[in-house]
Amino acid sequence: EVQLLESGGGLVQPGGSLRLSCAASGFTFATYAMSWVRQAPGKGLEWVSVIGGSGRSTFYADSVKGRFTISRDNSKNTLYLQMNSLRAEDTAVYYCANSPNYAMDVWGQGTTVTVSS
Amino acid sequence: QTVVTQEPSFSVSPGGTVTLTCGLSSGSVSTNYYPSWYQQTPGQAPRTLIYSTNTRSSGVPDRFSGSILGNKAALTITGAQADDESDYYCVLYMGSGIRVFGGGTKLTVL
Repeated sequence: EVQLLESGGGLVQPGGSLRLSCAASGFTFATYAMSWVRQAPGKGLEWVSVIGGSGRSTFYADSVKGRFTISRDNSKNTLYLQMNSLRAEDTAVYYCANSPNYAMDVWGQGTTVTVSS
Repeated sequence: QTVVTQEPSFSVSPGGTVTLTCGLSSGSVSTNYYPSWYQQTPGQAPRTLIYSTNTRSSGVPDRFSGSILGNKAALTITGAQADDESDYYCVLYMGSGIRVFGGGTKLTVL
């Protein structure tokens, strides 16, 4: 069974940093692109970033470009999202998902990030 | 900046058929945008329904189907059930690695 488990969320002050992790199991992790998607309280879903299976290709939404960095460790079957210069508008539930076929497939349950002083 | 558009809300009677659409503020949606569809109930993670326009994700019943209708992507639900009451989101692949979600459609079954 494919499983994705996010961790690392929490409360951080504006301007601070946080690193999210997504532990994957049940599939050949290194062969799948992986995405991060977020959802602000009471709002819709927003695509954040995607990384190719090898980790060589990465893409970002304009809203996070230059502040967030997606990466992966295929030896640990783990996806990461390094979030710097956090703003109040980054407050959201962050989901990871495996991403074949230009889409998202299986989703994790999400981890909550709150940016507030 | 191109916006992905969806109906904010829709209602369907139990057993009825409803078609939700996913368009562009400028231009037409084609299969080259690899439209995908997701269902989300409050407090839950999204569930993938359709990818690459019309391919159902594993375990998704054939009551859900995807297509291109005119200049939009479409999600059709036939034989609507009470537990289909959810938010539905589409995603379009915009090229250069970029995906964009629509604003979502809140579907009511009543």
